[in-house]
Amino acid sequence: ETGVTQTPRHLVMGMTNKKSLKCEQHLGHNAMYWYKQSAKKPLELMFVYSLEERVENNSVPSRFSPECPNSSHLFLHLHTLQPEDSALYLCASSHGQGANTEAFFGQGTRLTVV
Amino acid sequence: AQSVSQHNHHVILSEAASLELGCNYSYGGTVNLFWYVQYPGQHLQLLLKYFSGDPLVKGIKGFEAEFIKSKFSFNLRKPSVQWSDTAEYFCAVNAYSGAGSYQLTFGKGTKLSVIP
Repeated sequence: ETGVTQTPRHLVMGMTNKKSLKCEQHLGHNAMYWYKQSAKKPLELMFVYSLEERVENNSVPSRFSPECPNSSHLFLHLHTLQPEDSALYLCASSHGQGANTEAFFGQGTRLTVV
Repeated sequence: AQSVSQHNHHVILSEAASLELGCNYSYGGTVNLFWYVQYPGQHLQLLLKYFSGDPLVKGIKGFEAEFIKSKFSFNLRKPSVQWSDTAEYFCAVNAYSGAGSYQLTFGKGTKLSVIP
């Protein structure tokens, strides 16, 4: 257990569906992240929230919409996704966002878009 | 922007063989370096990290890595691998990305298969 919990673990959705991924951290961290892990590609940083404010959005398509209602919870709202969006979505958290930051990861949500 | 290169996509070794996984990064400033490991079906977890000081860093499970600044490298090593080391290994660099924030950038990962 890392203290970072993601639900659901697996999700299959159609291209017209709307779904949400949830992440919860019990570590008292104040920064949270969404990463996308695709086969044979580096982990891609999608969004960063620090103190519940979005500080970075790496040009992610608008069909992905993050929400951070408090420092312990992070959501990724999905709508009208494409098959190429199928991947493992990882949530991470850290204490601060400085140079010595160590990120703690959840187990991920395996998303399949059909 | 920084980038991280891991040279091997898939490495296959027999038990007791020595391991070295390459990692090079591109960034001109100060960096903090990490190796993460992802065992099958499990979450990414930290193996070891370098922030400053002795460039030879020891991590969990007998792993070590050496930071060579002149080569922009942070290679991971283990003298004798075990079947339980079968996993995917990710090198990562944390560096300043502007506007007061830092970004953790990962390599593509190296899959290690250890044959009993």
